[in-house]
Amino acid sequence: DTAVSQTPKYLVTQMGNDKSIKCEQNLGHDTMYWYKQDSKKFLKIMFSYNNKELIINETVPNRFSPKSPDKAHLNLHINSLELGDSAVYFCASSQDGRGASNQPQHFGDGTRLSIL
Amino acid sequence: GQSLEQPSEVTAVEGAIVQINCTYQTSGFYGLSWYQQHDGGAPTFLSYNALDGLEETGRFSSFLSRSDSYGYLLLQELQMKDSASYFCAHLGLANTGFQKLVFGTGTRLLVSP
Repeated sequence: DTAVSQTPKYLVTQMGNDKSIKCEQNLGHDTMYWYKQDSKKFLKIMFSYNNKELIINETVPNRFSPKSPDKAHLNLHINSLELGDSAVYFCASSQDGRGASNQPQHFGDGTRLSIL
Repeated sequence: GQSLEQPSEVTAVEGAIVQINCTYQTSGFYGLSWYQQHDGGAPTFLSYNALDGLEETGRFSSFLSRSDSYGYLLLQELQMKDSASYFCAHLGLANTGFQKLVFGTGTRLLVSP
């Protein structure tokens, strides 16, 4: 009955490879997010989708491409992996993400990506 | 740009009270959230302040002063399990009208026996 689940939990790969991370939420939320947490634990938003539509796209290299097949799923594909991509990637979801009302974000357990 | 500054580390003993400060420089401010993250775990929501004043949730309270661009998280009756990182986060809106959280630098709390 996990609310936000990500796979894989760990990802170790070589520079230059392409990899994907998957995320699913069973909370019935309309909005999903991808965050990157670096080695200093700084947590920064990358993308957000509302009902399969891209609504936030921060300054992220084109090598990162999110895809939302339906509102319960948000995947992240990364091309040509670089050393600097090593981080923990968190998926999150919130109710509808609109307006200024408090809508806590629910996070998955993270995917630890290590580039060799 | 937007920035939220927090002390990098705070230490305290079990049973004590600790305050974690957050000062921010942001535009389009709607409120301040707090999240807890244990090592190797997911950030989890603790509290939210939209208006000035104190919000209490059990052993945790959060305070906001919009005029001072300042907030804090107060943890009472500290327990060992409270050892974690704590993040303040500014709630604003992206130019699409959807919510965007900008997180602070994080404070690592170490609780000792």
